[in-house]
Amino acid sequence: DQQVKQNSPSLSVQEGRISILNCDYTNSMFDYFLWYKKYPAEGPTFLISISSIKDKNEDGRFTVFLNKSAKHLSLHIVPSQPGDSAVYFCAARLSNFGNEKLTFGTGTRLTIIP
Amino acid sequence: DAGVIQSPRHEVTEMGQEVTLRCKPISGHDYLFWYRQTMMRGLELLIYFNNNVPIDDSGMPEDRFSAKMPNASFSTLKIQPSEPRDSAVYFCASSLGLDRGYNEQFFGPGTRLTVL
Repeated sequence: DQQVKQNSPSLSVQEGRISILNCDYTNSMFDYFLWYKKYPAEGPTFLISISSIKDKNEDGRFTVFLNKSAKHLSLHIVPSQPGDSAVYFCAARLSNFGNEKLTFGTGTRLTIIP
Repeated sequence: DAGVIQSPRHEVTEMGQEVTLRCKPISGHDYLFWYRQTMMRGLELLIYFNNNVPIDDSGMPEDRFSAKMPNASFSTLKIQPSEPRDSAVYFCASSLGLDRGYNEQFFGPGTRLTVL
């Protein structure tokens, strides 16, 4: 069963507008969430993360929002740029001490239209 | 520093053959992870090591899959015998670990495996 879900396989956004990527999770024991970005023929690279004690984390054009009651997080990219076209994965980690395991979603392909 | 190195980048083999994927983690990283990416299931963790010792292999799909880490700079993922449903992109990642305050995992470029 998929504990981390990205229900939108793809998203197209006009350059300069806001991109919003969504992620839902089912396990309330997840305490840390990450977003990774992946270009074709490359491995995923870390983008931004958020701890469950926060509801927002911002890094330049990227902001992640966490709604624990809804078990939902989202990644906002403002303004969107052509270089943002990639597959975005959200990932979650359980709060067990020493647990290094990340559970990933299936990814959302973002296409920025010039 | 070179990042995580994986070889080969592409592998095409026939059903029933043995396949060995290789990974060199970033020097100094204590943790090494093997993932498989498919369209249906996204990125799945297969196994991870800490200081060359397997910690969690619950994601290894079946006995046909095995992974080893003989030293801190090398790991292999072996599939024997391979089947068409094993076709996927396999990623290796490494990290410094939460015990040192690091959440991020660094991924290699992946090996695209096709089993005919």
